[in-house]
Amino acid sequence: DAKTTQPPSMDCAEGRAANLPCNHSTISGNEYVYWYRQIHSQGPQYIIHGLKNNETNEMASLIITEDRKSSTLILPHATLRDTAVYYCIVRGYGGSQGNLIFGKGTKLSVKP
Amino acid sequence: NAGVTQTPKFQVLKTGQSMTLQCAQDMNHNSMYWYRQDPGMGLRLIYYSASEGTTDKGEVPNGYNVSRLNKREFSLRLESAAPSQTSVYFCASTGGGGLQPQHFGDGTRLSIL
Repeated sequence: DAKTTQPPSMDCAEGRAANLPCNHSTISGNEYVYWYRQIHSQGPQYIIHGLKNNETNEMASLIITEDRKSSTLILPHATLRDTAVYYCIVRGYGGSQGNLIFGKGTKLSVKP
Repeated sequence: NAGVTQTPKFQVLKTGQSMTLQCAQDMNHNSMYWYRQDPGMGLRLIYYSASEGTTDKGEVPNGYNVSRLNKREFSLRLESAAPSQTSVYFCASTGGGGLQPQHFGDGTRLSIL
């Protein structure tokens, strides 16, 4: 079973920030938080990952709470092409712990 | 860069037929994975290969076999296809270090009648 809980769907206006929440209350100390997205049944696309510090790259920002029990993926200026299912995944290091366990994700709809 | 290439993209089989799905990556990655995705669901891991010469079962291995032919190629075989195996199959690969992100192919859409 997935170790994360996400809302099934969210809407966002084009040009606004999209904030996607994720709960991972049972995360252990050596597990990272990863975000992927899947656009219209294409293969999942890696977005960002982090351990405990906030992370930013060209696609998004990841904010992890101090207790690491939840996180938020931020798409700063959502476009229509950001409409996708977003998966929050907790992943360990090495062996089977490094495997990705996908839940159902959050379906983000960006509207004009 | 091609990344992860899956063939074929679409296939229709009859119950009981066999088929091999092909996956190749050109990123010199050590680890490769096979997932299936049913409608409205997340991906589920079928088999993975942590390195050339090794394979391990994932969450849903029954009805499948795999072969890590070399470092580049990882194939998935259905020996006797069943309608329950109708799904979209994704192959992925990742480099060393255990924390590198997985790169996915575009999928094979398989229907079994």
